[in-house]
Parts: sequence; structure tokens; C-alpha cells
Amino acid sequence: DTTVKQNPRYKLARVGKPVNLICSQTMNHDTMYWYQKKPNQAPKLLLFYYDKILNREADTFEKFQSSRPNNSFCSLYIGSAGLEYSAMYLCASSRGGAEQFFGPGTRLTVL
Amino acid sequence: QEKVQQSPESLIVPEGAMSSLNCTFSNSASQSIWWYQQHPGKGPEALISIFSNGNKKEGRLTVYLNRASLHVSLHIRDSQPSDSAVYLCAFYNTNTGKLTFGDGTVLTVKP
Repeated sequence: DTTVKQNPRYKLARVGKPVNLICSQTMNHDTMYWYQKKPNQAPKLLLFYYDKILNREADTFEKFQSSRPNNSFCSLYIGSAGLEYSAMYLCASSRGGAEQFFGPGTRLTVL
Repeated sequence: QEKVQQSPESLIVPEGAMSSLNCTFSNSASQSIWWYQQHPGKGPEALISIFSNGNKKEGRLTVYLNRASLHVSLHIRDSQPSDSAVYLCAFYNTNTGKLTFGDGTVLTVKP
């Protein structure tokens, strides 16, 4: 089973409110990633966990938080959503390699 | 910062034709180049990868890599309507463990 699951699939949030997105995988992959994708743009890496070590990209360091309570689950947390956060959020996992397995994404709309 | 450029932005071909997609990257030391396919409502899925200069063939897919010119191309022989999707080129940097994606090419195969 190479399934990566994401919940919810669609999320509506108000400006200034927190948002929490969930991702799970059952492939025992050591690395889990979160990307932000806007229309006609490349997926942008936000952060990734290698085992229990969190790596956040420098330009989004203060905007996104994450936790990985166990190998299978990983969350993406936005403390205060702004309009610019409206996007598709893609979770992926890999076993320390370039082949990443992606979930279907969560479409976040901030109003 | 590593960059990936894809062309064309969109491509329409008749069923049975060859589809040719292009990608240039900024870092000649890139470890491997990947092509991902994304259908509407789904996450990207790895199609084929290449590391060494030259070509690699898998079924109807052929990838050509020229590191000197920082160029890689994907060719889909006998294109089918089910091949209609967004194709993302990405390069994987082993040192950072990160994939850097291009903006994608929208392929439409007309029956």
C-alpha cells in the first residue's frame, strides 16, 4: 500500500484563525514533507521531518509549524491564517530518497 | 537558489502522437532528475527518473538528459487521452534531501 492520506480534503478558514492539517502514511517512511501549491506554480517545500528532526525552509520559517507524534502522522499548523495562505497543501513521504509519494492534498481557502 | 524551468506551459496533441516536454535546471551537480504526473484531484505521482547522461526508456516513456546543457526532456510515444495531466519536472539534491519542482506542463491529448 503506497497511500498517503490527508485530512480534511477541503478546509475553509477565516482570516486570523488557526488551521491544522493532518497527513498519514503506513509505508514506514522515515521522511515526511509538506508543500504549498498555488495555481500554475511549482510545489513549494515548506518543511520536512526526517525521523523526529524538523527542517523548515528559511523563507517560511515563522509561518508554519509542524509536529510528528509518531512515524505515521504529521501535521501542518498555521497559527493565524492570512489570505495569502489560500492554496493546495500537499503532504508526501519517502524512504530517504527522491521518490516521494504524495497525498491528494488539502485545498485551503481563507476568507 | 536552484531553479527548474519547464516548457511549454501547455501542449495539445492528437491521440497517437508523440508528446515532448522540456525542462532546464540551474545546477549541473543535480543528483537525479524526476518527472511526476498529476491528474486533477490527485497528488503528483513519480513517473520516471534519470541520473546519468543519455537516455532511459520505460514503456512509452523516454527521458533524455544532457548535463552539459542542463536540459532534460520527456517524450511520450503513442499519447493517449489518459495521459492528459500536469507533468512536473524536479531535481533531487542528495546533499539537502530536497526536490525542487518546475511549474509544470499541462498536457492535453485529444481523442
